[in-house]
Amino acid sequence: AQTVTQSQPEMSVQEAETVTLSCTYDTSESDYYLFWYKQPPSRQMILVIRQEAYKQQNATENRFSVNFQKAAKSFSLKISDSQLGDAAMYFCAYSSGSRLTFGEGTQLTVNP
Amino acid sequence: SAVISQKPSRDICQRGTSLTIQCQVDSQVTMMFWYRQQPGQSLTLIATANQGSEATYESGFVIDKFPISRPNLTFSTLTVSNMSPEDSSIYLCSVGGTGPYNEQFFGPGTRLTVL
Repeated sequence: AQTVTQSQPEMSVQEAETVTLSCTYDTSESDYYLFWYKQPPSRQMILVIRQEAYKQQNATENRFSVNFQKAAKSFSLKISDSQLGDAAMYFCAYSSGSRLTFGEGTQLTVNP
Repeated sequence: SAVISQKPSRDICQRGTSLTIQCQVDSQVTMMFWYRQQPGQSLTLIATANQGSEATYESGFVIDKFPISRPNLTFSTLTVSNMSPEDSSIYLCSVGGTGPYNEQFFGPGTRLTVL
């Protein structure tokens, strides 16, 4: 079974600084997708960024980028120029087929 | 992405009762999913709801406790039956899993408290 591990229960960053959230996963599949979701206190799950396993190029969405290391099964999220609105729980997720498997989450605090 | 709504947004219920949560999507979708998020925890998939067929339940979840309906391609319900305080959670529905990236989009969630 696929597993997703986020080893940082909590992280904090100063406003305008950069922070990296870690995620590792375990799978025997070769074709899959990886995602980062954000869940603010409103509890709405928001898709931040996605990565196809067959693509070597790291995905980027504005201030959000990933470092995808397929051999190491690592998928970290970098948030640049952190903003107060980035404060949320961040979940790493894996998909092969239609099912999503989530990590335990990292609570990100942004300090003004 | 689809616009997804859930009703109710929150509820407080007595143990032993049942609550039905509705999930409405603004477009036709093939697959809908129901998740449970216990306090301070991650999301756990309860079941996949496909139109015209029985829902597919994950290990640890049974139809008698969490019956699901999927009468059409834009609507689904999840019932939490014979509730106990351990059922206090956020319940989320999502759609997707079939697009080019298999991504899923989530409703706003229903916060359930069982006394």
